[in-house]
Amino acid sequence: RKEVEQDPGPFNVPEGATVAFNCTYSNSASQSFFWYRQDCRKEPKLLMSVYSSGNEDGRFTAQLNRASQYISLLIRDSKLSDSATYLCAVKSDYKLSFGAGTTVTVRA
Amino acid sequence: NAGVTQTPKFQVLKTGQSMTLQCAQDMNHEYMSWYRQDPGMGLRLIHYSVGAGITDQGEVPNGYNVSRSTTEDFPLRLLSAAPSQTSVYFCASSENQADGYTFGSGTRLTVV
Repeated sequence: RKEVEQDPGPFNVPEGATVAFNCTYSNSASQSFFWYRQDCRKEPKLLMSVYSSGNEDGRFTAQLNRASQYISLLIRDSKLSDSATYLCAVKSDYKLSFGAGTTVTVRA
Repeated sequence: NAGVTQTPKFQVLKTGQSMTLQCAQDMNHEYMSWYRQDPGMGLRLIHYSVGAGITDQGEVPNGYNVSRSTTEDFPLRLLSAAPSQTSVYFCASSENQADGYTFGSGTRLTVV
């Protein structure tokens, strides 16, 4: 079983829509959780950390459910510029493991 | 600050050749890692380091060596290149265990 699993999508949504997707992880001792954004042929860039109480950054909301071992990302009022691949990442000890990514395409 | 700098950006190798991918960071980060990214496979950890002089294997270490003689530099050596090592390689660093990693812009390697 992979350490981090994501629904690959693709999610194809109109501008202004809300889109949400999840990521599950297998190591219950994982300590830190993150969402990254990766544009085509570019490096991953940290979008936000994910905290147990849930957290928001503008139109982005991240949730962590330790009991069920999943994290989620919700994007409100989608913009064309939100089109990207979103990677969830889970840190256990010193190692950061990534899911394969969820592709989101926002159409006009 | 330059952040994480990787060189070269592109490289073509012949099977059996060796080379070193360079990675340097100027943020005084203790934690550094090397990943490879292949279509449909996501980012896979090759080797990582928690400080100068300390390295360990990740998920896919075979065929690669690393060393960490300074905090700033974390080179990745391909010992004898194989076509299966054709990939995009990312170096990343982090200040501490709780933080996410900052990535370099990557090296696109083709082995023919």
